[in-house]
Amino acid sequence: GQQLNQSPQSMFIQEGEDVSMNCTSSSIFNTWLWYKQDPGEGPVLLIALYKAGELTSNGRLTAQFGITRKDSFLNISASIPSDVGIYFCAGRRGAGNEKLTFGTGTRLTIIP
Amino acid sequence: ETGVTQSPTHLIKTRGQQVTLRCSSQSGHNTVSWYQQALGQGPQFIFQYYREEENGRGNFPPRFSGLQFPNYSSELNVNALELDDSALYLCASSPGGTGIAEAFFGQGTRLTVV
Repeated sequence: GQQLNQSPQSMFIQEGEDVSMNCTSSSIFNTWLWYKQDPGEGPVLLIALYKAGELTSNGRLTAQFGITRKDSFLNISASIPSDVGIYFCAGRRGAGNEKLTFGTGTRLTIIP
Repeated sequence: ETGVTQSPTHLIKTRGQQVTLRCSSQSGHNTVSWYQQALGQGPQFIFQYYREEENGRGNFPPRFSGLQFPNYSSELNVNALELDDSALYLCASSPGGTGIAEAFFGQGTRLTVV
């Protein structure tokens, strides 16, 4: 099945650093969601974006819905140990009831 | 806590057997979607139920089937299990028909086929 392209695939950073990751698609999505998944757990919703150009924050996390509607970005400021995990973007073509297409994931590791 | 619960959390089945996985949606949510997540990959859409009707299906064979009940809980059934069916199965609930796109996932069921 189709998956969106996320980059980088993995990141190794030190605590306190800022993090940036992105998600790109060859087709347009009308909603972008960002999730975080810990090993053996289900994805947890972080941020939902509904409009092209929208910038939304959730604490230290900020996500943007790309103007072309084919990409989205997630930034984490001042990373802490609990930020470790895999971050997935997901796009939905409709505004409500359609399936989510997930990205390939970005694995974030914090180096002591 | 998303309010979405799945059972069982883990199970092991033999190739050729059948399995039923269960999901209770978040209160007030009438849509349940099922996803398969292989190791190291993002979740892949299997199908979705809205108000007890299937209203979308991914690229999965007919031996993957489902149900949604009047209380909006749902089951995923897989017949004739194959080794490649080993994966984390996730269900997500959302308030369909509201224009709200957010979907909330359960903790998943880890299926191992041997």
